Amino acid sequence: GDSVTQMEGPVTLSEEAFLTINCTYTATGYPSLFWYVQYPGEGLQLLLKATKADDKGSNKGFEATYRKETTSFHLEKGSVQVSDSAVYFCALSGSLSGAGSYQLTFGKGTKLSVIP
Amino acid sequence: SQTIHQWPATLVQPVGSPLSLECTVEGTSNPNLYWYRQAAGRGLQLLFYSVGIGQISSEVPQNLSASRPQDRQFILSSKKLLLSDSGFYLCAWEGDSAITDTQYFGPGTRLTVL
Repeated sequence: GDSVTQMEGPVTLSEEAFLTINCTYTATGYPSLFWYVQYPGEGLQLLLKATKADDKGSNKGFEATYRKETTSFHLEKGSVQVSDSAVYFCALSGSLSGAGSYQLTFGKGTKLSVIP
Repeated sequence: SQTIHQWPATLVQPVGSPLSLECTVEGTSNPNLYWYRQAAGRGLQLLFYSVGIGQISSEVPQNLSASRPQDRQFILSSKKLLLSDSGFYLCAWEGDSAITDTQYFGPGTRLTVL
């Protein structure tokens, strides 16, 4: 079945440091890939997505490139801020029973703490 | 624009009591709707999904059930809660023709079973 593997956290960085959170996946077909962010006590927010190989998703200074050859979708940001402290989830979408709905398969999440 | 609501935001219930969590979506029609549970240290688990009124599919056998009485309303229920039902419950919608296969999540309900 489909699976997503994320780097284990927690990750602690100083403000303005470079961020990379690794994500690799196993899937049949050509799934869409996503990064979601969860701030403390809140639901998940879509951060960015990519739908096909070599697509780059970007939002709020974060970016990730869909690499089919390495089955990866690593999240990067050039300069993190304290407000980026959150849990980040990598996910892929797969069809559910051919019913026109999709299942998201999530990684376990990576907690990021940014210190001033 | 589309918005998704969940209530209550937090809930503390005794073991053996019933449960009803509600999710509603605004600004879209005929969405696919999903219930997930996020248990501490265990990631997100898909519980139920629905592609239309009265159509419910369960992904994991458990103590919970779901219903969809209206197009944009999704309810998660239990007749008798177990300690293991504690967790953070998230509802999500998907299905706008321009953004199919992208799910958008509600704010969640924190359930503690004592």
